[in-house]
Amino acid sequence: DVKVTQSSRYLVKRTGEKVFLECVQDMDHENMFWYRQDPGLGLRLIYFSYDVKMKEKGDIPEGYSVSREKKERFSLILESASTNQTSMYLCASGRSPGNYEQYFGPGTRLTVT
Amino acid sequence: GENVEQHPSTLSVQEGDSAVIKCTYSDSASNYFPWYKQELGKRPQLIIDIRSNVGEKKDQRIAVTLNKTAKHFSLHITETQPEDSAVYFCAAATSGTYKYIFGTGTRLKVLA
Repeated sequence: DVKVTQSSRYLVKRTGEKVFLECVQDMDHENMFWYRQDPGLGLRLIYFSYDVKMKEKGDIPEGYSVSREKKERFSLILESASTNQTSMYLCASGRSPGNYEQYFGPGTRLTVT
Repeated sequence: GENVEQHPSTLSVQEGDSAVIKCTYSDSASNYFPWYKQELGKRPQLIIDIRSNVGEKKDQRIAVTLNKTAKHFSLHITETQPEDSAVYFCAAATSGTYKYIFGTGTRLKVLA
């Protein structure tokens, strides 16, 4: 069974704080993704990575950065958290080439006050 | 930019009835179309997918149809059960990119 884990289920941070969200997968997947999920907006892609030390901007990268130092770990960084970044954050991983299925982590509900 | 429209946003059906959720995509290069189910408080999970070289795919009570010309694809659930109640997301991906564009989701309620 593919296992994708995220460091926290719930997180509360203050405006201006630096926030790290960690995602780890145990299936040697090449591809990893960060999404945010908001009611009525579905899942929107923030950043993704096809390999170690590689990153690509998704549809809503503003205010976020990522790090992928090891194949199994993909971190999302909020350099200076703002209230409009309060959301559910979902990490996913997938194998390539040829296999498009993505496996999701349980999500981190981040509240910025 | 590329987008995927999904309708309806909410759908209520009686147990045993069928449910249909429809999506339209804009990128004609899209060639992979998954459907994810997300139960309350849980992670999205793939329930069925279809590639652009196939018009229909079925797995027990669920089926997906694809009309490439119209850029439409649909999820069909027959003989709905209370455990089908969830939010369903469609998505589209383009060959070689592996990234999805998701629809905005449909909340399905199956009334017992």
